[in-house]
Amino acid sequence: GENVEQHPSTLSVQEGDSAVIKCTYSDSASNYFPWYKQELGKGPQLIIDIRSNVGEKKDQRIAVTLNKTAKHFSLHITETQPEDSAVYFCAALGSGTTDSWGKLQFGAGTQVVVTP
Amino acid sequence: DVKVTQSSRYLVKRTGEKVFLECVQDMDHENMFWYRQDPGLGLRLIYFSYDVKMKEKGDIPEGYSVSREKKERFSLILESASTNQTSMYLCASRPQGSDGYTFGSGTRLTVV
Repeated sequence: GENVEQHPSTLSVQEGDSAVIKCTYSDSASNYFPWYKQELGKGPQLIIDIRSNVGEKKDQRIAVTLNKTAKHFSLHITETQPEDSAVYFCAALGSGTTDSWGKLQFGAGTQVVVTP
Repeated sequence: DVKVTQSSRYLVKRTGEKVFLECVQDMDHENMFWYRQDPGLGLRLIYFSYDVKMKEKGDIPEGYSVSREKKERFSLILESASTNQTSMYLCASRPQGSDGYTFGSGTRLTVV
């Protein structure tokens, strides 16, 4: 089945700086890669996603890149603000006939702290 | 917006009790999921269901069972709660043919 690894586990950045979180996946059949943000006391919320036929996607201050050959994808947050402080999870969705089909596998999460 | 509602935010149960965690979604989604969230381990899939009365084991089903008698409701059952089941439990739903998951706010369960 799919295995997703996420680094770093914690990330402290100064307000205004950029933050980068990296994930790798094992199942080459995975074709959908969402990123979730979880604030304290809340469930994960989808912030951006990318499909395997796209190399990069951007939405305002956040962007995601995907390297299918290397099986890794990254989240980039620019001009960080205190409200970006949260736990971020990457995930991969299996496809086709693998046993990962239809099931999101998550990374371990990254605690991002943005200091003013 | 799709809403996924978990009936309890916090629960405290005793070892050996039978525990029911309830999840309801209001958008007629076919697929529903139960994850548990532990620090350093991310979200791990316990069980999922792709239709009424259908269920599939996830990665960590031991000690759990599920029930889906109605499309909108997916229940997670701890047959005999143990302290190692103390965790945050997250329910999610997804419509057929879509990749997007919607999560509930979670139930923090403490087993003493």
